[in-house]
Amino acid sequence: EAGVTQSPTHLIKTRGQQATLRCSPISGHTSVYWYQQALGLGLQFLLWYDEGEERNRGNFPPRFSGRQFPNYSSELNVNALELEDSALYLCASAGTNEKLFFGSGTQLSVL
Amino acid sequence: KQEVTQIPAALSVPEGENLVLNCSFTDSAIYNLQWFRQDPGKGLTSLLLIQSSQREQTSGRLNASLDKSSGRSTLYIAASQPGDSATYLCAVAPHNNAGNMLTFGGGTRLMVKP
Repeated sequence: EAGVTQSPTHLIKTRGQQATLRCSPISGHTSVYWYQQALGLGLQFLLWYDEGEERNRGNFPPRFSGRQFPNYSSELNVNALELEDSALYLCASAGTNEKLFFGSGTQLSVL
Repeated sequence: KQEVTQIPAALSVPEGENLVLNCSFTDSAIYNLQWFRQDPGKGLTSLLLIQSSQREQTSGRLNASLDKSSGRSTLYIAASQPGDSATYLCAVAPHNNAGNMLTFGGGTRLMVKP
């Protein structure tokens, strides 16, 4: 069974551009979570999608947004990129036993 | 606001040692606590999940305990091996289980020397 897959693995952008990150959950999982892991800040909750709806978001500005598609895959969009957005972005999905399964992440570098 | 602290931040031990990683949290009203492992530049692997009503969970050489009233959890690793070298993170889910909106600790970076 395939795990959580994320693409691209690495993404390089310049300040002010937009970035789109993609995530496919484990088959059968309907919830997708996005986390940011920035140097020195640790892992922080970004967004939670379930059944196509945004259920909650962490303490991030509105330029961080996303969506979940009917097949439960998800996109994270970051607009007007800033240098401090450079981080590893991790996507996770959860099954009925509430254990989180993480993808390998997208390393976003903003120059 | 929930805060999770992990001590020590880094640990280096010789192969074969038993070791304990500590995690503390400020708000005892949690739904569950999870321990993860992260290898450099990679995602997280779930190791153990303890529900708030449980005291401990075991998987192979790993044992995690939870004392909710005192806001503490420990991860015990028996007979450590070089392959155990990684960063270990604990995370708590809020009591209303608003999804897996986990609050993570800063992690303990473990190095097991052959």
